[in-house]
Formats: sequence, structure tokens, C-alpha cells
Amino acid sequence: NAGVTQTPKFQVLKTGQSMTLQCAQDMNHEYMSWYRQDPGMGLRLIHYSVGAGITDQGEVPNGYNVSRSTTEDFPLRLLSAAPSQTSVYFCASTGSAGNNEQFFGPGTRLTVL
Amino acid sequence: AQSVTQLGSHVSVSEGALVLLRCNYSSSVPPYLFWYVQYPNQGLQLLLKYTSAATLVKGINGFEAEFKKSETSFHLTKPSAHMSDAAEYFCAVSDQGSNYKLTFGKGTLLTVNP
Repeated sequence: NAGVTQTPKFQVLKTGQSMTLQCAQDMNHEYMSWYRQDPGMGLRLIHYSVGAGITDQGEVPNGYNVSRSTTEDFPLRLLSAAPSQTSVYFCASTGSAGNNEQFFGPGTRLTVL
Repeated sequence: AQSVTQLGSHVSVSEGALVLLRCNYSSSVPPYLFWYVQYPNQGLQLLLKYTSAATLVKGINGFEAEFKKSETSFHLTKPSAHMSDAAEYFCAVSDQGSNYKLTFGKGTLLTVNP
């Protein structure tokens, strides 16, 4: 199993550009989440999904869109990038809403100029 | 709303010394609690978790944590630090049954001196 994979690893955007961060998992997990990590802020939840076709907002959803058309994939879209979205983005998945571990991907480092 | 406070953004210990990383939480419902470790330029790895079973939880790499409801704490300890323990550590909380929605603390960077 590859676990949770994220592409790209690094990305530089100009203000106003759009892009999609890809996330895929091969563990047949129902639950997937996106977090952003900023220095001194820990990780903050952007959006999450409890199954294909079902998504909801987390703590910091503004400026981001998500969709979940398959169990495996959970892309994160930035429609018009802003410098405030410079961050490291982590995707995570878990097979249960209960006490199972949430597995994290390796992250995407995004810089918006 | 839930919140997590990690006391000390940077903790420095000598190799072989006790490691104590502090975490206090605020939750209106019984929580699940987690400790994650992040090595430089990597993702997060679960160290241990409390999910309403035993209050003393043992994790990987010799770490353990004790859930103390009266103190709303979940401090992480390791009796003897190793150089390989140098990393950033995050405490996180979720509602029971919602471990896909974690609220993280701001992290504690652990430095281990030879």
C-alpha cells in the first residue's frame, strides 16, 4: 500500500492563479481531511469528507473548495491564490470515525507570490 | 468548541534525561486525545492515542501519556531521551467518534543535546 499520497510536493503560484492539490489513498478509507500547517499555528482543518459525495467545512475553509467523487481521491482547489495561502498542506485519511489512526500524507509546500 | 494548549513552544533536554511535553485541552464533551510527531520535512506520525479506555497510554518509541480528566491534561513523557527523539510534537483533540476532525495544539519543538 502506498498509503496517502499528495502531489505536487512543491508549488509556487502567483497571486490570482488557481490550482488543485491532489490527494489519494489506497486504504479504502471513508474519511478524509485537509489541514494546513503554518509556523507557530499547528495544523488547522480546512475541509473534510465522510464519504464519497459528502464534504463539509473545517476551521479555515475560506478560499478553498473540495469535492469527493470517489473514495480514493480528495482534491483541494484554490480558485484564486492569495499570499495568505502560503503554507504546507496535509491530507489525511482514516477508516473509522472512532478510535482508528488518521494517516497523513507527506504534504505539499505551497508558496504564493 | 475544543482547544488544545501546549505549554512551551521549545523544550531542550540532554540525552538520557526525562522528556516531559505538556498538553492541556478544553472540550465540552468527552474527548479523544492524540500525540503526533513530525520529523523535519515529513508528515505526521501517530505516537499514541487516548480513546476512553485506559488512562495511561503507551505509544511507540518508548513514549507514554496519562489522561487526567480533573486536570484536563494529557502530558507526554519518555524516561530517557534519545538523539533520534528530536522533532516537533503535536497534541490534538477530537470529539469521540470524530477523529477525522482534529484540533491541534501549536506544537512543541524538542531538542536533544548530547
